[in-house]
Amino acid sequence: NAGVMQNPRHLVRRRGQEARLRCSPMKGHSHVYWYRQLPEEGLKFMVYLQKENIIDESGMPKERFSAEFPKEGPSILRIQQVVRGDSAAYFCASSPPGSGKETQYFGPGTRLLVL
Amino acid sequence: SQQGEEDPQALSIQEGENATMNCSYKTSINNLQWYRQNSGRGLVHLILIRSNEREKHSGRLRVTLDTSKKSSSLLITASRAADTASYFCATAFNSGYSTLTFGKGTMLLVSP
Repeated sequence: NAGVMQNPRHLVRRRGQEARLRCSPMKGHSHVYWYRQLPEEGLKFMVYLQKENIIDESGMPKERFSAEFPKEGPSILRIQQVVRGDSAAYFCASSPPGSGKETQYFGPGTRLLVL
Repeated sequence: SQQGEEDPQALSIQEGENATMNCSYKTSINNLQWYRQNSGRGLVHLILIRSNEREKHSGRLRVTLDTSKKSSSLLITASRAADTASYFCATAFNSGYSTLTFGKGTMLLVSP
C-alpha cells in the first residue's frame, strides 16, 4: 500500500504565476488535509476535504488559494498569482476510515519557491 | 495563537542518553499526537495519547499527558543517531476526523 503521494516535490514559480500542488491519499482514505510549513516553523492547517466536499477551510487565505478533492483523481491545492510569501513546504495528509481515523499520514511535501 | 509549544527548541545529546521533550497547549483537547520530521521530509506519526490517558508507551517512546497542566512530554530512551530529527506535538479538539494544531517543534541532535 503506497503512502500519501505528492507532486511535484519541488516547484519554482515567478511572482504572478499559478501553482498547482497534487496529493493522492493512501488507498482507501477519503479524508485529506493540507498544511503549510514555513521555515523553522510547525505546520499550519489550511483545509480539510472529503471527496467532493470542503469540510473546513478556516486556515485558507481568503484570496488566491483554493482546494478541491474530486470524485476521481488527486486533491489539488491551487495558488493563483503567487507572491514570495507563498514560498513554503505544503504537506498533504490523509486519514483512514474506522478506528484509526485520528491518525494522519503525511506525504513528503511540495516545496514551493517563488522567485 | 499557537496551540502547542515545544520545549526545548533544540536538544543535543550523545547516543545512549535519554531525550525528553515537552509540549504545552492552551485549550481543551480530545487527543495529543507526536510526530517526527527528518530534514526535508514529511512527518511520521509516532504516538497518540487521548485526554483520558496519562501515559503511553511504544518501543523506546514514552508519552505522558497532564490535562490539568495542559502539557505533555515525550521521552526517547537509549537514543540513537537515527533519532536525529525534529519532533512536533499536535493537538486535536475532536474525536474522529479532526484537524491538527502543531507546535514549532524540538530539533533533536543525537551524536554518535
